[in-house]
Amino acid sequence: DTGVSQDPRHKITKRGQNVTFRCDPISEHNRLYWYRQTLGQGPEFLTYFQNEAQLEKSRLLSDRFSAERPKGSFSTLEIQRTEQGDSAMYLCASSQNRNTIYFGEGSWLTVV
Amino acid sequence: GEDVEQSLFLSVREGDSSVINCTYTDSSSTYLYWYKQEPGAGLQLLTYIFSNMDMKQDQRLTVLLNKKDKHLSLRIADTQTGDSAIYFCAETPGNYGGSQGNLIFGKGTKLSVKP
Repeated sequence: DTGVSQDPRHKITKRGQNVTFRCDPISEHNRLYWYRQTLGQGPEFLTYFQNEAQLEKSRLLSDRFSAERPKGSFSTLEIQRTEQGDSAMYLCASSQNRNTIYFGEGSWLTVV
Repeated sequence: GEDVEQSLFLSVREGDSSVINCTYTDSSSTYLYWYKQEPGAGLQLLTYIFSNMDMKQDQRLTVLLNKKDKHLSLRIADTQTGDSAIYFCAETPGNYGGSQGNLIFGKGTKLSVKP
């Protein structure tokens, strides 16, 4: 098992464009999480899936953000009409139970 | 609301012990975590402690939990230059509307280890 995998690792996009990030959790982990981290801050929770069901969304997740986990395995996070304030690292994490939550290496987004 | 506070910087000499401190606000937190982040990388789970414990030891790492004061600490024995990183404390609020996923992180403590 290679851990939580995220793709792409880095993305530079022009303001107004759409971007999509993919996360492959650790196999057999039924819980998947998305977080956002900006420079000098700790990660902030965005959303959480248990299997394919999106059970919780943060108020940080504006309507330009959408996350899916269609078959309960990999997940995508799409940001539409990107803004400069969306520049951050987007972290995916997964867990089988609540006490051990493993993070991926993150996807860096720069909006220019 | 929930909040996690950490001092921002800590500098130690190689071979010394490092103690990183954290305070949290949610007295019903069930799990408390320590994560390590190296430059440009994701978060590595170091250890966690359940709220009914007051100490947990794992090799060079010792976690102490004082529930009364809502204080968590991470002690790294025999600190090495490879331990230089940012260390994040995080809590899982116990009564956050039944949340199962909302880890609340501090801003992180940057540990610098001098040879």
